[in-house]
Amino acid sequence: DAKTTQPPSMDCAEGRAANLPCNHSTISGNEYVYWYRQIHSQGPQYIIHGLKNNETNEMASLIITEDRKSSTLILPHATLRDTAVYYCIVRVMNNNDMRFGAGTRLTVKP
Amino acid sequence: DGGITQSPKYLFRKEGQNVTLSCEQNLNHDAMYWYRQDPGQGLRLIYYSQIVNDFQKGDIAEGYSVSREKKESFPLTVTSAQKNPTAFYLCASSPLSGSGQPQHFGDGTRLSIL
Repeated sequence: DAKTTQPPSMDCAEGRAANLPCNHSTISGNEYVYWYRQIHSQGPQYIIHGLKNNETNEMASLIITEDRKSSTLILPHATLRDTAVYYCIVRVMNNNDMRFGAGTRLTVKP
Repeated sequence: DGGITQSPKYLFRKEGQNVTLSCEQNLNHDAMYWYRQDPGQGLRLIYYSQIVNDFQKGDIAEGYSVSREKKESFPLTVTSAQKNPTAFYLCASSPLSGSGQPQHFGDGTRLSIL
């Protein structure tokens, strides 16, 4: 599975959009991009995933560049409850292992 | 509500003792997984199972054992052979791998050594 690179930490003002970047320059054609978040002492929460096209659900939007070498998770109106560690994972569809790295610690400030 | 239930939330183990962590899911998922998370680290795969009565080792299976007698249940035993068992243990499930569908996680069990 391709390796991902995320900034270790980011801040965002409450009510503003949070844009979390992820670099996956070695991604291959059959690898999906998944985003999860983990609030302290809880299990990871699935947010969104995609292969090529941009995706949107009730939680967030996922923007994947045309060359698929990077992506951005967008939380449109961040709240204090969105403070968490966000993980970007690239995985082949038939792989059993979700390889979580260190992620980005997002702090939403009042 | 559909989901994954892990119990207990906190568990303490004495030296030389085996302990079993419970994981139950009512999502009708075929595949189930166990991960270990150490402070400030990512997740590491211990074992996974794609079907009842079958399971495979992950990256760090030594000192652990599992069983999959029912589709809904995938208990993990931390044996006395696991020399550094203090960690946060996470169970996950998903539809059969190959579908691209994400894994969904329980809220974890925190194991500590007395």
